[in-house]
Amino acid sequence: NAGVTQTPKFQVLKTGQSMTLQCAQDMNHNSMYWYRQDPGMGLRLIYYSASEGTTDKGEVPNGYNVSRLNKREFSLRLESAAPSQTSVYFCASDLTGGLTGELFFGEGSRLTVL
Amino acid sequence: AQSVSQHNHHVILSEAASLELGCNYSYGGTVNLFWYVQYPGQHLQLLLKYFSGDPLVKGIKGFEAEFIKSKFSFNLRKPSVQWSDTAEYFCAVNGRTGRRALTFGSGTRLQVQP
Repeated sequence: NAGVTQTPKFQVLKTGQSMTLQCAQDMNHNSMYWYRQDPGMGLRLIYYSASEGTTDKGEVPNGYNVSRLNKREFSLRLESAAPSQTSVYFCASDLTGGLTGELFFGEGSRLTVL
Repeated sequence: AQSVSQHNHHVILSEAASLELGCNYSYGGTVNLFWYVQYPGQHLQLLLKYFSGDPLVKGIKGFEAEFIKSKFSFNLRKPSVQWSDTAEYFCAVNGRTGRRALTFGSGTRLQVQP
């Protein structure tokens, strides 16, 4: 099983450019999440999708949009990238919408905005 | 809003030393508590979790954590660390009602010297 797959793994953008981070899971999980990881700040929730067809804002949603394309896929879009969005982005999924707390994470996508 | 504090940002220990990493949380309700670990170059993975019952929970690789409700704490311990425990450790919490997405602490980087 691939688990949670994120693409791309690395990306460099210029300020103002747009891009989409893709995430797919093959575990038939209901819930999916996007976190960003910054030094000294841990993981902060950007958006999540409790189930197919729903999305909700997390702690730091500004500057991002998401799409739950189907049960497997959850994409994160930066419409106009800013240097403050330089970070490592993690997609995660779980079966029970947080009931068990066991998230399965992707490998991360390192984004640099110049 | 819920929050998690990890006071130790970087800990350096020698092999066989004992480990205790602090975690305090703030939340206006009943919580579930977790420790996640990120080994170098690997995915974040669940180390242990507490939902209810015995406040001393045991996880993988000899780790344990104790929930002290009166102190809002969930400290991680290991009697004797190994070089292979070098990793970043994250405490996390979610509520049992409402939004169940996990809130993570800022992380503690543990370096074990051989």
